[in-house]
Parts: sequence; structure tokens; C-alpha cells
Amino acid sequence: QLRLQESGPGLVKPSETLSLTCTVSGVSISNPSYYWGWIRQSPGKGLEWIANINYSGTTSYNPSLESRATISVDTSKNQFSLRVNSLTAADTAIYYCARRGETWGWPYFDFWGQGTLVTVSS
Amino acid sequence: ETVLTQSPGTLSLSPGERATLSCKASQRISSFYLAWYQQKVGQAPRLIMFGASSRATGIPDRFSGSGSGTDFTLTINRLEPEDFAVYYCQLYSSLGRFTFGPGTKVDFK
Repeated sequence: QLRLQESGPGLVKPSETLSLTCTVSGVSISNPSYYWGWIRQSPGKGLEWIANINYSGTTSYNPSLESRATISVDTSKNQFSLRVNSLTAADTAIYYCARRGETWGWPYFDFWGQGTLVTVSS
Repeated sequence: ETVLTQSPGTLSLSPGERATLSCKASQRISSFYLAWYQQKVGQAPRLIMFGASSRATGIPDRFSGSGSGTDFTLTINRLEPEDFAVYYCQLYSSLGRFTFGPGTKVDFK
């Protein structure tokens, strides 16, 4: 059974760097059929896509976060990670990791982690 | 960059009624790249529809999607109590990027 689990600090100080990891179980992250992504949701707000990566390290980023975000993959651990630097209060959000699947070339996020709340505050 | 808008912001209905949710793109898009998600309070989003009109695995047939060009619709026939949630449309672009709409909340009248 596929499971994605986010891990990372719940509280980070402004101007510091956030590091999150998503541990995938039930499927190999090296499966070429999938990409892996991060999506966040500020309290009471909508969803914001951050970035995607595949097993070979091919990435895509939201232009609004590209200068501060880095996504990476560790196939040996079946994990992928996100780093966001220069944090401000506006980065306070629930961060979800998700699998990007597709059918007939039509992409979507079909499995999600439970999400982890990150608060940026001194 | 294509922007998605959703309307209405909130839809107040009773169980058994039909919900019609709109998602409009700021420019013409391929329907293949339009998906819908359901999110309940305290839960991660759940894929409902992909390719504008294909139901995801396990989604009941009271959910249907339609549309083309710039206008897309998610219809929920005969609302069940578990359908009251926030619904987001999502666009995939050829650059490998994703955009979500602001969401429509379906709540109890």
C-alpha cells in the first residue's frame, strides 16, 4: 500500500532555511512512471504547488518560489526532499508531499501525505 | 501564465441537491490537463477527476466533469453528507508546472 510521510521541523525562525523530507513506502521512487512533488497550503487558504522531481532528478518549480526552493531525490532511501531558504511568515503553511501520476499522459496528484504544519516565527 | 478562477466561492446546498462548480481559465487550455480535488477539513486533498471528465479510482458516478477551452464544470448529483467539502481545480502546463484554483466550498444550507 502506497504511503507518503512528511517529516521536518514544526517551527522555523524567519530568514532561516526549511528542510522537509518525504518518505515513500509501497512503491519505488525510481519508478519512471511517476514524479514526486511538494504542495503547500497557508492556514485557511488554497493550495500552492511548489515543485516536482523524478527519479533521475528532472525538476520543475513554481516560478514564484524557484529562487528560494530546491527539491532533491534520494533513491537509495526512497525519499525526496524540499529546502526553502530566506523564510518569512508568509511561508507558514501545511506542506504536503504527493505523487504525480498520469493516465494517457494526463497528469494529476493521486496520492498525498497527511501534511506537516510549518510555522515561521521567532 | 494561465490563472484559474472558481465560482462560486461558497455553495450552500442540502443533501440530495445538485452542486455545479465552475472553473474558468484565463486562456484556452487543454481539457486533458484539468483535474479536480476534494479537500475535507483536516485532510489532504483527494483526486476526484482528471482529464476534465475522467473519474479517479473509487469516485462514485454522482461526480461528473465537463468542459473545454476556458470553461470547466464539476457536477455532483444528489449530494451526500460526505460530499460537503472544498473543491479545487488544477491545471498542468506544458512546462511541467501546476496551478490550483482558489477553491469552492460546498457547505450545508
